Amino acid sequence: ELKVEQNPLFLSMQEGKNYTIYCNYSTTSDRLYWYRQDPGKSLESLFVLLSNGAVKQEGRLMASLDTKARLSTLHITAAVHDLSATYFCAVEPKSSGDKLTFGTGTRLAVRP
Amino acid sequence: EPEVTQTPSHQVTQMGQEVILRCVPISNHLYFYWYRQILGQKVEFLVSFYNNEISEKSEIFDDQFSVERPDGSNFTLKIRSTKLEDSAMYFCASSYLETQYFGPGTRLLVL
Repeated sequence: ELKVEQNPLFLSMQEGKNYTIYCNYSTTSDRLYWYRQDPGKSLESLFVLLSNGAVKQEGRLMASLDTKARLSTLHITAAVHDLSATYFCAVEPKSSGDKLTFGTGTRLAVRP
Repeated sequence: EPEVTQTPSHQVTQMGQEVILRCVPISNHLYFYWYRQILGQKVEFLVSFYNNEISEKSEIFDDQFSVERPDGSNFTLKIRSTKLEDSAMYFCASSYLETQYFGPGTRLLVL
């Protein structure tokens, strides 16, 4: 069974600081997605990483993928309060079509 | 910007009742999905649908569940006889290529 683990599960950080969220997965995959979810809301697509070494950046967020290590990272630079949300990584395994297996989520709280 | 829409936003039902959750995917998308999220937990895949048939389903998607695309725009999830443990947020998603775009969800509460 595919396992997708994120750490940390909870992250409280000060505005202006940098931090990295990690996503480890247990099977072969070339496709990894990052989503953001605000409380009670839907999932907003942030990044699609489609190959080993892929790096994408949008504003204060940067995502990368290392398929050999089965690891993706979401790096936050100079955090602001608006980034407070839950972040999920999701893996599309090579063996099982296009279903997404989501990680446990990282709840981020950015405080002044 | 096109969006996936879902109705209703909230549904309360009695155990054993049938519910139908409705979704309108983005119009040029070809692949459709249902996921659910029990409160405070991660998002779980239920079923994927392509070319008018189920392409994959999870263990959760048992005989009580069915999906249908009754016309060119709607995509529905039916739960025949709801159980308490079906209480969750149900998300519809659609895709054309890689990215799956999620709807706002239907919060289902089974009493």
